[in-house]
This record gives sequence, C-alpha cells and structure tokens, in this order.
Amino acid sequence: KAGVTQTPRYLIKTRGQQVTLSCSPISGHRSVSWYQQTPGQGLQFLFEYFSETQRNKGNFPGRFSGRQFSNSRSEMNVSTLELGDSALYLCASSYGTSGGITAGELFFGEGSRLTVL
Amino acid sequence: AQTVTQSQPEMSVQEAETVTLSCTYDTSESDYYLFWYKQPPSRQMILVIRQEAYKQQNATENRFSVNFQKAAKSFSLKISDSQLGDAAMYFCAYRSAITSGSRLTFGEGTQLTVNP
Repeated sequence: KAGVTQTPRYLIKTRGQQVTLSCSPISGHRSVSWYQQTPGQGLQFLFEYFSETQRNKGNFPGRFSGRQFSNSRSEMNVSTLELGDSALYLCASSYGTSGGITAGELFFGEGSRLTVL
Repeated sequence: AQTVTQSQPEMSVQEAETVTLSCTYDTSESDYYLFWYKQPPSRQMILVIRQEAYKQQNATENRFSVNFQKAAKSFSLKISDSQLGDAAMYFCAYRSAITSGSRLTFGEGTQLTVNP
C-alpha cells in the first residue's frame, strides 16, 4: 500500500511569489491535514480537509489556503510569500469518519521543504 | 486551548540502555488521545505509540512504553534496550476525542541521541 506522497520535495521561491503543494493520501483515506514545521515555532496545524470540506483551520493568515479533490488528494497554496514562510510542510492522512470524531492513526508524508529568498 | 510541553530539548542514551522522555499537557477535556511520534533525519513522522485517556492501562509497543498519569497530565515515553535506529526527534502530541477532526497539538520535541 503506497504511503502519503507529497510533491514537490524541495522548492525555492522568492518573496511575493505564490506556491502550491500537493498531497496524495493513502488509498481509502478521506482526511488530509497540513502542518507547518519550523525551528522556531515547531509543528503547527494549518488545516484539515475531509470529503472535500475544510473541517478545521489553524491560526494562520488568509494567505494560506487549501482544497481537497473528490479523489481525496489535497493541495495547499501560499500566496504573497514571506521569508517567514520558509518551512517544512507536512501532510498527514487518516481514514477519518463522517461523524467527525476519528481515532484513526495519522500517516505522514515526507514533507515539502519550502525556502523563500 | 490545549498545550503540550516537552521540557527536554535533548537527551542522550547509551546503546542497550533505557531512556525516558518527558511530556506534560494541559487540557480541560476529559476524553482525548495522546501520541508519541518519531521523526528521523529522513523527516517522515512515524507513530511510535498511542494512549487513549479513558484507558488506565499504560500502552506498550515492544521496547516502547508509556507512563500515563492522567491526574498529573503527564505522558512520558520509555525506550528500553535503545538501538542506534532510535536516534531521532521525538514529539508528544495531543488530539481531542470530543471535537471533530484529526487535529494534533504537538510539543516542542526532544532530540534523542543514541551513543554506541
């Protein structure tokens, strides 16, 4: 069974540009979550999608957005990049439940390393 | 809001020895899950062990076990017979069993070094 796949693995952008990151969850998983990891702030929750709907959102500005497609694949977008957006962006998938409460294990991808110059 | 605190930024252990990583958390909820995740240099987060708050029995997974003290809001990880492959960053994480979704709140992490 293939794991969580994130693309691209590495990317370099300049301030003011925008970036789109992709995440393909494990087959059958309907929940996809995104996290930002930085040395200073640690791991912070960005948002979660379930069945194409945003179910939870962390405390990030509106420049950070995401979406989920009918095949559960998810993308996140960061517009007007700032130096502070340099981070490892991790995606995690889980089976999830339509009722909202899930005890399923989260499986993480290897992350996308974004550098903003 | 829930918070998770790992007070040991770095720990080291000799191969084959035992090490305990500390984690405390704060929550007003009565039902939740606690996790330890491992992040090796390859960056992929791997679940080490999980604990349901309603279970009094401490979880164990082979060489990994936890000491869950619900009243004290403490959740430590014990690694027995440490191996070189255990070297990694370890994160303690909290997830509500009441609010919807899979949102995890992570601690700051503990970098574990295993010396041969």
